[in-house]
Amino acid sequence: DTGVSQDPRHKITKRGQNVTFRCDPISEHNRLYWYRQTLGQGPEFLTYFQNEAQLEKSRLLSDRFSAERPKGSFSTLEIQRTEQGDSAMYLCASSRDGGSNQPQHFGDGTRLSIL
Amino acid sequence: AQKITQTQPGMFVQEKEAVTLDCTYDTSDPSYGLFWYKQPSSGEMIFLIYQGSYDQQNATEGRYSLNFQKARKSANLVISASQLGDSAMYFCAMREGGTGGFKTIFGAGTRLFVKA
Repeated sequence: DTGVSQDPRHKITKRGQNVTFRCDPISEHNRLYWYRQTLGQGPEFLTYFQNEAQLEKSRLLSDRFSAERPKGSFSTLEIQRTEQGDSAMYLCASSRDGGSNQPQHFGDGTRLSIL
Repeated sequence: AQKITQTQPGMFVQEKEAVTLDCTYDTSDPSYGLFWYKQPSSGEMIFLIYQGSYDQQNATEGRYSLNFQKARKSANLVISASQLGDSAMYFCAMREGGTGGFKTIFGAGTRLFVKA
């Protein structure tokens, strides 16, 4: 069990630029989640994949945000035309199939700073 | 709608003492799971303990126990014999298990300070 891996750990970019983050889940986990966390708050759900299918998206995920999991393994989260309000920690988590009892295992996150 | 409330922004506890972190929740789904996570200053989210809505007994994991009061919709985390390394943010979270999808919602968190 190598854990959930996220890359990069930190990203600093100018407003208006596009950014892409990568998440590698625990290998036997079919479910993958993206969250956004701002300072002093709990993580906010963005989207969820069951294998390669994106099954749920939050209203927080504007049309500037897109997530993919093309082969049901790693996932990418892209933010186009970044804005100041996008500055946050972006967390990826994965879990096994099953009911509501499956805990999510989180990566260390990607911290995005918009200049 | 799902909702998680953590009313304690910060808590202090003396090393080796026990501490209770409060969590109340709201859901109309009879099937749900409650989780507690720890987030140290380094940023990673660490799973601590799980309680299912149909579980008859309170969950325990080492020094962590969950005081589950279903009628009150509360799921308080009890940490016994606090250690300096327990200083961190603690988040209560809930996932509905019925047709509510697999979204997990988190509370705002409680920052725990353990004093030597």
